[in-house]
Amino acid sequence: GAGVSQSPSNKVTEKGKDVELRCDPISGHTALYWYRQSLGQGLEFLIYFQGNSAPDKSGLPSDRFSAERTGGSVSTLTIQRTQQEDSAVYLCASSLPRLGSSDEQYFGPGTRLTVT
Amino acid sequence: QQQVKQSPQSLIVQKGGISIINCAYENTAFDYFPWYQQFPGKGPALLIAIRPDVSEKKEGRFTISFNKSAKQFSLHIMDSQPGDSATYFCAASMGYSSASKIIFGSGTRLSIRP
Repeated sequence: GAGVSQSPSNKVTEKGKDVELRCDPISGHTALYWYRQSLGQGLEFLIYFQGNSAPDKSGLPSDRFSAERTGGSVSTLTIQRTQQEDSAVYLCASSLPRLGSSDEQYFGPGTRLTVT
Repeated sequence: QQQVKQSPQSLIVQKGGISIINCAYENTAFDYFPWYQQFPGKGPALLIAIRPDVSEKKEGRFTISFNKSAKQFSLHIMDSQPGDSATYFCAASMGYSSASKIIFGSGTRLSIRP
């Protein structure tokens, strides 16, 4: 079946512009996560959504970052007034958490963001 | 408290040899320890995972050894093959029976020489 998909695969933007990154999770997965992978910082958690619960935003680095998940499926990560340090690969993952089972997260291919 | 420390940063192993990557954690609330494999240009893919009530888990050539008292765990790749060349991340989460963010180690770039 289809895995997690992300678009665009690459995005180049000028400093100060806003960008939107899209994630389509695996159908039926109730949890959706955003991570960022950058040189020197490794993989870091940004935000996750689980069902109808309030999202865990504890990893967002600044108020320029926000995310929403519409209809419990597709998610958009928005970065306002982009800065050069925002350049990274943004990864989305989804899972189906179940009682008595581990939360196996499946990752998409990522969006490579370059801020010039 | 939330960190997962991983070593070595890079590793070169001859084909057929054993690759060993080590990790350590601090937060005893973690209850799920996955390992991810990542190839260039791809997202991480779950390789193998373990819970802290088990000391060892083996899947094919891949084995996790877990030492709960020392708060350490390691990945062993037996009979390493050139196709195993990738970046490996250890990780920890409270993701058993619930959604939870993953805390990743810094990664190990593994190269298998033919």
